Amino acid sequence: GESVGLHLPTLSVQEGDNSIINCAYSNSASDYFIWYKQESGKGPQFIIDIRSNMDKRQGQRVTVLLNKTVKHLSLQIAATQPGDSAVYFCAEGESTGGFKTIFGAGTRLFVKA
Amino acid sequence: DGGITQSPKYLFRKEGQNVTLSCEQNLNHDAMYWYRQDPGQGLRLIYYSQIVNDFQKGDIAEGYSVSREKKESFPLTVTSAQKNPTAFYLCASSIWVDTEAFFGQGTRLTVV
Repeated sequence: GESVGLHLPTLSVQEGDNSIINCAYSNSASDYFIWYKQESGKGPQFIIDIRSNMDKRQGQRVTVLLNKTVKHLSLQIAATQPGDSAVYFCAEGESTGGFKTIFGAGTRLFVKA
Repeated sequence: DGGITQSPKYLFRKEGQNVTLSCEQNLNHDAMYWYRQDPGQGLRLIYYSQIVNDFQKGDIAEGYSVSREKKESFPLTVTSAQKNPTAFYLCASSIWVDTEAFFGQGTRLTVV
């Protein structure tokens, strides 16, 4: 497997603050990127995606930034709420040349009330 | 309601036994996947299928087998050859390989 970490990095933020979760991806040929949220004991849920022809995409309270030069992806969550507490995964993939989606190790977001 | 369903939610198996995890989707998706997740870790791809009657090994296929006889079903068998089968297993589907995946709620397998 790729990018499987033994210990999840943790980000702790105060309720109402903005959160930024970072992800370094490995494959320069990746042309799509997806952020997922996983709550305890559940399957991951789609949050937002971005294609390589974009460098920014906004959703409801979330923004994804893509920097292809340094192979870096970030997820920004505005006005973080207790319900945002979860593990967040980035996934990268190639849409050509066969299936190759790789999940990052994940970051645990803890929101303090 | 459209979605992806995994069953059972919890499964206990004795060492040396094979066990099959069910995954069904009614989203009319072509692609289906099985991932394994260990505590505090990310998702690792076991097998994936892009179309009926076709499937490919992922990164950790040893000790597992799958079938894709119907578009909506992608069962995973954990065989006795899998040395460390205790884990959380996630099934997912997507319209195609480069679109968002919809995940089931997972099956937690424990070998006793």
